[in-house]
Amino acid sequence: KQEVTQIPAALSVPEGENLVLNCSFTDSAIYNLQWFRQDPGKGLTSLLLIQSSQREQTSGRLNASLDKSSGRSTLYIAASQPGDSATYLCADPSGAGSYQLTFGKGTKLSVIP
Amino acid sequence: GAVVSQHPSWVICKSGTSVKIECRSLDFQATTMFWYRQFPKQSLMLMATSNEGSKATYEQGVEKDKFLINHASLTLSTLTVTSAHPEDSSFYICSAQGGDSTYGYTFGSGTRLTVV
Repeated sequence: KQEVTQIPAALSVPEGENLVLNCSFTDSAIYNLQWFRQDPGKGLTSLLLIQSSQREQTSGRLNASLDKSSGRSTLYIAASQPGDSATYLCADPSGAGSYQLTFGKGTKLSVIP
Repeated sequence: GAVVSQHPSWVICKSGTSVKIECRSLDFQATTMFWYRQFPKQSLMLMATSNEGSKATYEQGVEKDKFLINHASLTLSTLTVTSAHPEDSSFYICSAQGGDSTYGYTFGSGTRLTVV
């Protein structure tokens, strides 16, 4: 059964810093990997989706990479802003065709002005 | 972009009553939707997979008679919490696959249920 781990559980950085969030998974035969952000009391907002044939995706200040051989994905946030403060979750469908997402516990990011 | 609309965003009900939560895909068809539950400071736990035109598939430990799921159309799934108790108080979120990407998931904004 796929297990997804996110490190660190919480991170606090000053505004303007670049930062990296980590996601590791036990089963490298992933279908794709998706990064989400969740604001307190809100649903999830999709940030980036990396399909299994891809190695990275970029959107604005965000860059997500996927290394299936090592079972890792990273989310890089450049020039962090207070508005980036949220919990970031990575998720993997639990096997091609099942369409069930397996979530990590998330990294709670605080960007200090 | 793909939008999943979830209503209500919050609801307070008395113990013993039932509450219905709706999840709609606004600009795409979703043959499969998913219902999650999230406790404070915890990640999302999948409750059930909702399949259009057929019975939902429940995860182990989830009472199907308590959490009734109906997926009557390609754009609407509903979760009804029956005979609610205070321990059912939680944050419920739905999601659907599709929209912007065949492989991506779009989530609703969630429903905060408080049972008093």
